[in-house]
Amino acid sequence: QVQLQESGPGLVKPSEALSLTCSVSGGSIGNFYWSWIRQPPGKGLEWIGYIYYNGNTHYNPSLKSRVTMSVDTSKNHFSLKLSSVTAADTAVYYCARFGRYYLDLWGRGTLVIVSS
Amino acid sequence: QTVVTQEPSFSVSPGGTVTLTCGLSSGSVSTSHYPSWYQQTPGQAPRTLVYSTNSRPSGVPDRFSGSVLGNKAALTITGAQADDESDYYCVLYMGSGNYVFGTGTKVTVL
Repeated sequence: QVQLQESGPGLVKPSEALSLTCSVSGGSIGNFYWSWIRQPPGKGLEWIGYIYYNGNTHYNPSLKSRVTMSVDTSKNHFSLKLSSVTAADTAVYYCARFGRYYLDLWGRGTLVIVSS
Repeated sequence: QTVVTQEPSFSVSPGGTVTLTCGLSSGSVSTSHYPSWYQQTPGQAPRTLVYSTNSRPSGVPDRFSGSVLGNKAALTITGAQADDESDYYCVLYMGSGNYVFGTGTKVTVL
């Protein structure tokens, strides 16, 4: 059974970069698209972007200038970097597997707080 | 930017039926938007209920059904149960590789 697990710092200072990793267990990262989604406290879900196992990416236009995604097939994980963070980037960040036009498998999420 | 709209809240009686909708601030939703629906209970990750308008992943009860009604995507819950009390989000494919979440609907069962 494929499982996803997010990891990374829970606290990031304003203007710095947020970096998270999603580890895929129970299956290969190959031949799938993988996604990042976030949810500010008490608010709705926002699609950040997705990456194919070969490294091709697509980002939400509203975040594109600050987002970088990468994949490491040897470690079976993929990563998110969000630069120049502000308090508005405080959220639970989810990684997910992207099926055909939908998200079919989710991680449990990790809370990242932006604060000095 | 196009906004994907959902009703803020809905209330349904146990055993009752409720239909949630997912629309566009500009234009109509069709099957070409590949609507998908997700259920989220507080503190939990979302769970996929419906994809590609009306397909269900294995393990999702058939009392959850998806469709396109008029100019919106719809999720119908038939025979509502107490544990259906959750937030529900739709996602639409907007073309050019872009996907947008709806604003979410909070469903109360009482």
